[in-house]
Amino acid sequence: GAVVSQHPSRVICKSGTSVKIECRSLDFQATTMFWYRQFPKQSLMLMATSNEGSKATYEQGVEKDKFLINHASLTLSTLTVTSAHPEDSSFYICSASPSGGAYEQYFGPGTRLTVT
Amino acid sequence: RKEVEQDPGPFNVPEGATVAFNCTYSNSASQSFFWYRQDCRKEPKLLMSVYSSGNEDGRFTAQLNRASQYISLLIRDSKLSDSATYLCVVNNNFNKFYFGSGTKLNVKP
Repeated sequence: GAVVSQHPSRVICKSGTSVKIECRSLDFQATTMFWYRQFPKQSLMLMATSNEGSKATYEQGVEKDKFLINHASLTLSTLTVTSAHPEDSSFYICSASPSGGAYEQYFGPGTRLTVT
Repeated sequence: RKEVEQDPGPFNVPEGATVAFNCTYSNSASQSFFWYRQDCRKEPKLLMSVYSSGNEDGRFTAQLNRASQYISLLIRDSKLSDSATYLCVVNNNFNKFYFGSGTKLNVKP
């Protein structure tokens, strides 16, 4: 149980285009989903917390107009990187916390974004 | 001061060794504690939650010391497959998770 999927697993896009990443909890409902970014040899950095049916809460320094988050249902959250630039190239990982659970998080397999 | 601090390592140990990591947290009101394991270029996977009374899962033992505000992970009889980065995660009651930077473990033959 507690499986989280992410799609796509890998994407290469040109500078200036937008990329949408989907995060789904497959066998549980998640009131809260989290989006992280990880650069090589660095730890996870929380970008935003996404609550179903409400606006995401962004961490300091993360541009909400650049990283659009939509949490439309209890099993799906999306992150759209708008007008991507090469410095946005990173490993993006989502996680989901089961509704009513003991606060553990389950991570998706990540999306490796390369912006050329 | 960081919310969660870990020794980055690496810890280089031979197969069969016992190794322990500590992780300190700054918020005394923190409620939930976890150890995750992350392999290179992969997502973190939940290794175990850490309960107040301590808990054990096979070769892995986790303990919480609220007075000194640290959690520990003990790995007995290390296997080559234990080589990974171990992340300490602390949660306060407001659905906010704080990650340590991870401790790298290399188990060598």
